[in-house]
Amino acid sequence: NAGVTQTPKFRILKIGQSMTLQCAQDMNHNYMYWYRQDPGMGLKLIYYSVGAGITDKGEVPNGYNVSRSTTEDFPLRLELAAPSQTSVYFCASSYSSVGATNEKLFFGSGTQLSVL
Amino acid sequence: AQTVTQSQPEMSVQEAETVTLSCTYDTSENNYYLFWYKQPPSRQMILVIRQEAYKQQNATENRFSVNFQKAAKSFSLKISDSQLGDTAMYFCAFIHGAGSYQLTFGKGTKLSVIP
Repeated sequence: NAGVTQTPKFRILKIGQSMTLQCAQDMNHNYMYWYRQDPGMGLKLIYYSVGAGITDKGEVPNGYNVSRSTTEDFPLRLELAAPSQTSVYFCASSYSSVGATNEKLFFGSGTQLSVL
Repeated sequence: AQTVTQSQPEMSVQEAETVTLSCTYDTSENNYYLFWYKQPPSRQMILVIRQEAYKQQNATENRFSVNFQKAAKSFSLKISDSQLGDTAMYFCAFIHGAGSYQLTFGKGTKLSVIP
């Protein structure tokens, strides 16, 4: 199993450009998440999905969009990139809610994004 | 809203010694879960240990153990016999139970293990 795969690993964007961060998991997990990690900070939830066709906002959703057309994929779209979106982005997945007994998050290796 | 506070931005420990990382949290709920995650320089987030609030017994995983004080809302991580590979950022995290989706993370503690 590859687990959670994120691409690209690094990207530099100019202000106003758009891009999509890809995330795929091969564990048949229902739940998928996007987090961002700013320097010196913990992770903050951007969006999450509890299954194909279902998405919802997390703590910091502004400037992002997501879709979940399949169980495996959960892309994150940045429209009109801004310097405030410079961050490390992590995708994660779990079979059920992390707020459940013995459940755990599986993380991808992250995407370092710089907006200049 | 719940908050998670890690009051030690950086710590260091000699190899083979024991170190304790602190974490406090704030919640009005009674059912929740607490976690410690490790983030080495590779950037990968690795679950170290989890604790269910309804369990009085402190969780242990090999050299890692927690001191969970529910009344004090404290959740510290003890690393015994520290190894060079323990050098990493350590994040404390919290989630409510009953189908919650959002993990709340602290700002992290940078741990350096010195040879």
